[in-house]
This record gives sequence, C-alpha cells and structure tokens, in this order.
Amino acid sequence: QKEVEQDPGPLSVPEGAIVSLNCTYSNSAFQYFMWYRQYSRKGPELLMYTYSSGNKEDGRFTAQVDKSSKYISLFIRDSQPSDSATYLCAGGSTLGRLYFGRGTQLTVWP
Amino acid sequence: DGGITQSPKYLFRKEGQNVTLSCEQNLNHDAMYWYRQDPGQGLRLIYYSQIVNDFQKGDIAEGYSVSREKKESFPLTVTSAQKNPTAFYLCASSLQGSTDTQYFGPGTRLTVL
Repeated sequence: QKEVEQDPGPLSVPEGAIVSLNCTYSNSAFQYFMWYRQYSRKGPELLMYTYSSGNKEDGRFTAQVDKSSKYISLFIRDSQPSDSATYLCAGGSTLGRLYFGRGTQLTVWP
Repeated sequence: DGGITQSPKYLFRKEGQNVTLSCEQNLNHDAMYWYRQDPGQGLRLIYYSQIVNDFQKGDIAEGYSVSREKKESFPLTVTSAQKNPTAFYLCASSLQGSTDTQYFGPGTRLTVL
C-alpha cells in the first residue's frame, strides 16, 4: 500500500465550478500535509500547507485534513482556466521526507 | 534573487553513458532532494540529504548517485546502470526537513537516445 493515494483523474470542469481534490494516506504518524500545483513541464509550487487536522483557507482555496479517516482534501471555488494544472498532495512526519500522491490532472474549460 | 536552479533544462544521453544533473540553491536550506517524475507516476524520491556530507536513499535509488560536498549544491549522476532513465527530474530543498515546505527547481528533462 502506498503511503499516499491520489486519483490521477483527469478531471474536467467548467469555469466557475467548485473543484474537490482528494487523497488518502496510510501512515498515522503524518502530521504535515501539503498541496502543490504543477503546470505542464514546470516544477511544483506550494499551494497550501496544513498541520494536523482542520481547515485552512487562502483565497479561493481551502485545504482540509481529517486525521481520523486519513483523508486530505483541496477545494477550489470559482475555478478559472488558469487553475488547469496537476495537483499533488503530500504528507510527512518528522522523519526527514515527504510522501507524494500521483497527482490529479485538472482542466477548467471556459 | 533566491531560488533553486537546475541545469541543463534538456539533456540527451546515449545508452551506456553517465550524466550529471546540476542542482544549486541560494536559500540557505539544509535539506535537498531529488525526485523523478514519469507520466501518471507522481514524484518518486531518489535521494535526499539533510546535512552536508550525508545523504539517504529514497525509494528508487538504484542506478543513481549523489554527493553533498557543499550546502548549496546537490548534483545527481544518472549512471549506465539505470535501465530506464528517460524522465523529468526535479530537485527540491527545504529549510530543515520534512516539516518544512519543499521548494522545487524548474526540472531537467532527460532523454536517452
């Protein structure tokens, strides 16, 4: 079983839709969770960083962590064509490395 | 202008050759990482280093080697022992370890001819 599981999609939505991206993880020691956005042929860039359970909001983006069910979510409100990218979730403990999901490819069409 | 640089952006290699990918950071980060990305595979960790002169194998270290002689540099050598080296290679760094945000470079696309 992989440490972090993520449905690769692809996911295609119309502009203005609410997008829900999800991951599950298996390691109970994970306390740090991140979402990265990666445009085609570019390096990933950090979108959201959360510690332990709870919600974190930043503009149109909301990250949720439910440690009881080992579930990580990213919501994008009022999605835009510029949000079209691959979204990677990641989790880690204090032991030196992150574990990434496979990434979900998102397309937002005008 | 702080950040992570990787060179070259594109690299072509003949079978049987070793090649070295460069990764430099001026963020004063202690930890550095190398990932490989294949279509639909996400990021797979090759090697990581948390301090100078020390590094650990990741999940797919076979056929790769690294060195960490300076804090700001973490070159990756793809050896001829790596059977399928064509991929997108990403270098990252973080302030200390897994609890810190990893910042990624722009990547190097390696193609074996």
